[in-house]
Amino acid sequence: DTEVTQTPKHLVMGMTNKKSLKCEQHMGHRAMYWYKQKAKKPPELMFVYSYEKLSINESVPSRFSPECPNSSLLNLHLHALQPEDSALYLCASSQVNRADTEAFFGQGTRLTVV
Amino acid sequence: AQKITQTQPGMFVQEKEAVTLDCTYDTSDPSYGLFWYKQPSSGEMIFLIYQGSYDQQNATEGRYSLNFQKARKSANLVISASQLGDSAMYFCAMKPTAGGSYIPTFGRGTSLIVHP
Repeated sequence: DTEVTQTPKHLVMGMTNKKSLKCEQHMGHRAMYWYKQKAKKPPELMFVYSYEKLSINESVPSRFSPECPNSSLLNLHLHALQPEDSALYLCASSQVNRADTEAFFGQGTRLTVV
Repeated sequence: AQKITQTQPGMFVQEKEAVTLDCTYDTSDPSYGLFWYKQPSSGEMIFLIYQGSYDQQNATEGRYSLNFQKARKSANLVISASQLGDSAMYFCAMKPTAGGSYIPTFGRGTSLIVHP
């Protein structure tokens, strides 16, 4: 199973809503990532989890709150978002401490904040 | 710091023709790897091919091959016999270390359009 599953695929939320994005993988990868991607731009790193611990936070606003409840799951909790937060949110996983193995990506969640 | 440069914002190719997408990189690591990903309009980032810095031969995966020139720090993707389904964004990537982790890091991407 070389799949990263993200749910939901599409999400429309108001600026006062609370929602969560979910990411799941069963490849035994202990490094998991959240990226934000705007149209025609490369993915921008948001968070990195290594062995279920947050290792990197790229100065992401606190309205984004990541969580890694176990080695297979990664969540991104959203609260009081702004319209400029509308983007494709990609989850990825990889073998930890390996520069020579690819990262596997989910299909992403297309988020629209209204 | 590691840096990846893709200088072609957009490329056009006729169906069944070959196309080369450029990627140059800068790194001080003695050992590293280069990756290429395809991202269709659906959004999923699809891994295509990998080249290790110490690999003796250029990587190939089906219609994809990597023209790796280590001294020039370039890792160009060659797609042979283009198909309409190859129309997508293509990203060159590395995994530099940061905070003890290896972080997939991308170039700006090249938008490829295949004409019938």
